[in-house]
Amino acid sequence: EAGVTQSPTHLIKTRGQQATLRCSPISGHTSVYWYQQALGLGLQFLLWYDEGEERNRGNFPPRFSGRQFPNYSSELNVNALELEDSALYLCASSLVWGLQETQYFGPGTRLLVL
Amino acid sequence: KNQVEQSPQSLIILEGKNCTLQCNYTVSPFSNLRWYKQDTGRGPVSLTIMTFSENTKSNGRYTATLDADTKQSSLHITASQLSDSASYICVVSAEGNMLTFGGGTRLMVKP
Repeated sequence: EAGVTQSPTHLIKTRGQQATLRCSPISGHTSVYWYQQALGLGLQFLLWYDEGEERNRGNFPPRFSGRQFPNYSSELNVNALELEDSALYLCASSLVWGLQETQYFGPGTRLLVL
Repeated sequence: KNQVEQSPQSLIILEGKNCTLQCNYTVSPFSNLRWYKQDTGRGPVSLTIMTFSENTKSNGRYTATLDADTKQSSLHITASQLSDSASYICVVSAEGNMLTFGGGTRLMVKP
C-alpha cells in the first residue's frame, strides 16, 4: 500500500513569491493535516481538512491557505513568502478523525525562501 | 494556552541500555496523547496513542505511560538499539482534533 506522498521534495522561492505544496493521502483516508517544522523548532499544526472541508487551522496568518480536492488530495498555498517560512512542511493523513485515529506522515517538502 | 513540554531535550545512551523520556502537558480538554518517532529527514511515525482511561501502552520495546491526573507521560525504551537514534515527539490532542506538539527529545544511541 502506497504511503502519503508529497511534492515537490524541495522548493526554492524568493521573498514575496507564492509556493504551492501538494499531498496525496493514503488510499481511503479522508483527513489530511498540514504541519510546519522550522529548523530547531517542533512541529506546528497548520491546517486540517476532512471530506473537502477545512475543519481547523493553527495559529498561522491567512496567507497560509489550502484546499482538499474530491479525491482527498490536498494543496497548501503560502502567499507573500517571508524568510521565516523556510521549513519542512509535512502532510499527514488518517482514515477517520476521532479518538484513536493514527496519522501517517509523508516525507515532507523542504521549502527554502531566499 | 495549550503547551507540551518534553525533557530532556537531548540524550546520549549506550546500545543495550534503557532510557525514559518525559512529557508534561497543559492541553485542555484532553482527548489523547501520542508518541511519535522521527528519523532525521523523514516524517514522524506513530508509536503509541493513549486516551485518558489508558495508563500504559506498549509497542515492542517502547512502553508509554500516562498519568492524566498529573498530566504527565513517559516513553520507556528497553534494550536500546542503534536504530532507536531519532527524535521522539509527544503530541497531545484536544477535543476537536487540535494537536499540540512537544519540542521533541533527540536520542542518540552509541555502540
